[in-house]
Amino acid sequence: DVKVTQSSRYLVKRTGEKVFLECVQDMDHENMFWYRQDPGLGLRLIYFSYDVKMKEKGDIPEGYSVSREKKERFSLILESASTNQTSMYLCATRTETFATNEKLFFGSGTQLSVL
Amino acid sequence: AQSVTQPDIHITVSEGASLELRCNYSYGATPYLFWYVQSPGQGLQLLLKYFSGDTLVQGIKGFEAEFKRSQSSFNLRKPSVHWSDAAEYFCAVGARYGNKLVFGAGTILRVKS
Repeated sequence: DVKVTQSSRYLVKRTGEKVFLECVQDMDHENMFWYRQDPGLGLRLIYFSYDVKMKEKGDIPEGYSVSREKKERFSLILESASTNQTSMYLCATRTETFATNEKLFFGSGTQLSVL
Repeated sequence: AQSVTQPDIHITVSEGASLELRCNYSYGATPYLFWYVQSPGQGLQLLLKYFSGDTLVQGIKGFEAEFKRSQSSFNLRKPSVHWSDAAEYFCAVGARYGNKLVFGAGTILRVKS
């Protein structure tokens, strides 16, 4: 089974702090994603990466950056955390661009609170 | 622009009753449609997907969904709900080749005994 591990289940940070959210996958998947989940809004794509050192902006990249130095690890960075970034963050992986049998594999999420 | 609407924020059903969760989408090309479930404290798990062919698709845990192109809908159904089905359900749409899925806002299912 694919395992997608997010380093923290809960995280509390202060406004202005630099925050790192880590995601590690064990299945050699090419594609990795960061989503943000908010009640009533569903999941929104922040950034995705289709290869090491390759990244593309999703729908809501403002205030975030990402890093993918190794294939198995994809980091989401909040350069200066703000209260409106309090949310559940979900990492996901996929083997390659959509094909008939492809699907996303999700981590269990990091609930970030910015005070 | 592509979008997904799940009209029901919350649904409560009795254990053993049938279930239908609604999903409507807006998409400019052939849609690829998905239903995901999120149990409390867990990540999302794929229930089923529709790419082409038979418009009635079967998924895990006894769920099925029917694609109706004329209505731009992909509703999720289950004939008899179990207490363990209580969770949040997300409908999503994507392209045949692409890197983005658009998710609906989710429907929270409560099951009463």
